Amino acid sequence: DGGITQSPKYLFRKEGQNVTLSCEQNLNHDAMYWYRQDPGQGLRLIYYSQIVNDFQKGDIAEGYSVSREKKESFPLTVTSAQKNPTAFYLCASSPGGTVRGEAFFGQGTRLTVV
Amino acid sequence: AQSVTQLGSHVSVSEGALVLLRCNYSSSVPPYLFWYVQYPNQGLQLLLKYTSAATLVKGINGFEAEFKKSETSFHLTKPSAHMSDAAEYFCAVSAPYNFNKFYFGSGTKLNVKP
Repeated sequence: DGGITQSPKYLFRKEGQNVTLSCEQNLNHDAMYWYRQDPGQGLRLIYYSQIVNDFQKGDIAEGYSVSREKKESFPLTVTSAQKNPTAFYLCASSPGGTVRGEAFFGQGTRLTVV
Repeated sequence: AQSVTQLGSHVSVSEGALVLLRCNYSSSVPPYLFWYVQYPNQGLQLLLKYTSAATLVKGINGFEAEFKKSETSFHLTKPSAHMSDAAEYFCAVSAPYNFNKFYFGSGTKLNVKP
């Protein structure tokens, strides 16, 4: 079955630590995204990548970093510079390029700072 | 610029009643529009999409939406609510000149009363 896999589903981080959230897709999509979701605030775009080895900052990139070394993988690192990292993180992908299609989402990772 | 406005952060209906969730968009050219559903602690699942074909779009779980260009609206409806419809619903639009960018509304939480 094609889809997007996020891991882990739950993640706990101590203050001052960096953590990396995994996102893998087997849909052969060019574009991938990371969103942050907080209660009552909808989805906010952190980073997106339209093609391998390229990515752009979204609306709330500060304190986050990404890489796109492989087409199927788009990991997100939450650094210690992110002041309030507790949130639900969603990874998504879409066909990309000149293909106009919908975004497909993973099941999310809930990050909690302890 | 593209944007999406969802009127009403919370909507409550009785089981068996009509569901109406409102979405208005702004776009300089004919848009692609989407409705997603999110259950607690899960990712977003596509309900339906408008891709400039038929203006009345049918989706999964008995939902449908009508694209009204004159009103710049894409409201989501379901004739008879079920308890299982309780979830959060997001309207989204994709940018016309960058298919890899999506703009999401702030979401509407649907509560279904027995």
